[in-house]
Amino acid sequence: EVQLVESGGGLVQPGGSLRLSCAASGFTFRSDWMHWVRQAPGKGLVWVARINSDGSSISYADSVKGRFTVSRDNAKNTMYLQMNSLRADDTAVYYCARDNYSNDYFDSWGQGTLVAVSS
Amino acid sequence: SYELTQPLSVSVALGQTAKITCVGNNIGRYNVHWYQQKPGQAPIVVMYRDNNRPSGIPERFSGSNSGNTATLTISRAQAGDEADYYCHLWDSRADVVFGGGTKLTVL
Repeated sequence: EVQLVESGGGLVQPGGSLRLSCAASGFTFRSDWMHWVRQAPGKGLVWVARINSDGSSISYADSVKGRFTVSRDNAKNTMYLQMNSLRADDTAVYYCARDNYSNDYFDSWGQGTLVAVSS
Repeated sequence: SYELTQPLSVSVALGQTAKITCVGNNIGRYNVHWYQQKPGQAPIVVMYRDNNRPSGIPERFSGSNSGNTATLTISRAQAGDEADYYCHLWDSRADVVFGGGTKLTVL
């Protein structure tokens, strides 16, 4: 069974940093593209970042470019999202999701981790 | 950028058919996917590449995509179908795009 478990969320002050993790199991993690998607309270889904299977191709939404960094450790079956210079509008539940192929649909999602940016 | 427009809300009577639209420029040229999200839960895919149902999704769910509109159709709507629904596609310039979401209410 595919499982994605996010962790690392919490309360952080504006300008601060946080690193999220997405631990994967039940599938061959090193073969799959992965994404981060966020959802502000009461709002819709917003794509954040994508990383291909070996980490050689990465893409970001304009809203996080230059502040967030996605990476992965295939030996640990884990994807990361390093978030710097956090702002109030980064407050959201952050989901990791598995791409079915490459730029295809997201066939599995984690349960999400809440990031709250506030002073 | 590429934008996907969904109605904020759709209401359907119990047992009737609901249609949720996703409008985008020449969206018929793209593979469109649909997700269902219930309160407090992560999204799940209910339709992929326009009209393909994942295993476990009832046959009451169907999809179409042509011209400027993709549509998710839910036949014989049930109370358990109440949820937010999001369309999604990948565009070579805009990258991953989600629609704003539609709240489905079953009356």
